[in-house]
Amino acid sequence: DVQLVESGGGLVQPGGSLRLSCAASGFIFSDYSMNWVRQAPGKRPEWVAYMSARLNTITYADSVRGRFTISRDDDKKLMFLQMNSLRVEDSAIYYCSRGEGFPDYWGQGTLVTVSS
Amino acid sequence: DIQMTQSPSTLSASIGDRVTITCRASQSVSSWLAWYQQKPGKAPKLLIYKASTLEDGVPSRFSGSGSGTEFTLTISSLQPDDFATYYCQQYNIFRTFGQGTKVEIK
Repeated sequence: DVQLVESGGGLVQPGGSLRLSCAASGFIFSDYSMNWVRQAPGKRPEWVAYMSARLNTITYADSVRGRFTISRDDDKKLMFLQMNSLRVEDSAIYYCSRGEGFPDYWGQGTLVTVSS
Repeated sequence: DIQMTQSPSTLSASIGDRVTITCRASQSVSSWLAWYQQKPGKAPKLLIYKASTLEDGVPSRFSGSGSGTEFTLTISSLQPDDFATYYCQQYNIFRTFGQGTKVEIK
């Protein structure tokens, strides 16, 4: 079965950093584009970052460009999101998800809280 | 950015009702439109992609239609498991979600 498991969330002060991880299993990870999508409580989901399979095309939302970096390790079936210069408005559940335009599998999410 | 607007924001319905949710895009997204269902504390679940293609395993009571800027999600006969929030999402230019439609028990 396809599984995506996020980790690395937590409480951080404004201006701080966190690194999220997503461990994939049950499919050929290197064949798939991957995404980070976040959702603040009671709000709509918001796309954060996208990384294509093999060609390593990367796209970021305007709200995080220059502060967040997506990466992947195909050998270890891992995806990462390095988040720097965090702001209060970055607080949300962060989901990793599989797929090109419309992800078909999502993890359970990891909560990031940015607060002083 | 392409803005996605759903209506209504909340919908009260009974078991067996036919339910329709509308999603409008601020500019054409062709047929690059997906629908998701989300329950409290869970990740979104893909229902439909390319405006009208049903994801594997999704019950046939769900259907999608539309193209360009106007789309609909229809549930032909509402079941107890269908009470949830539904989101449309365009993937023509980057990706953006609608604000959601909460389907509640009447």
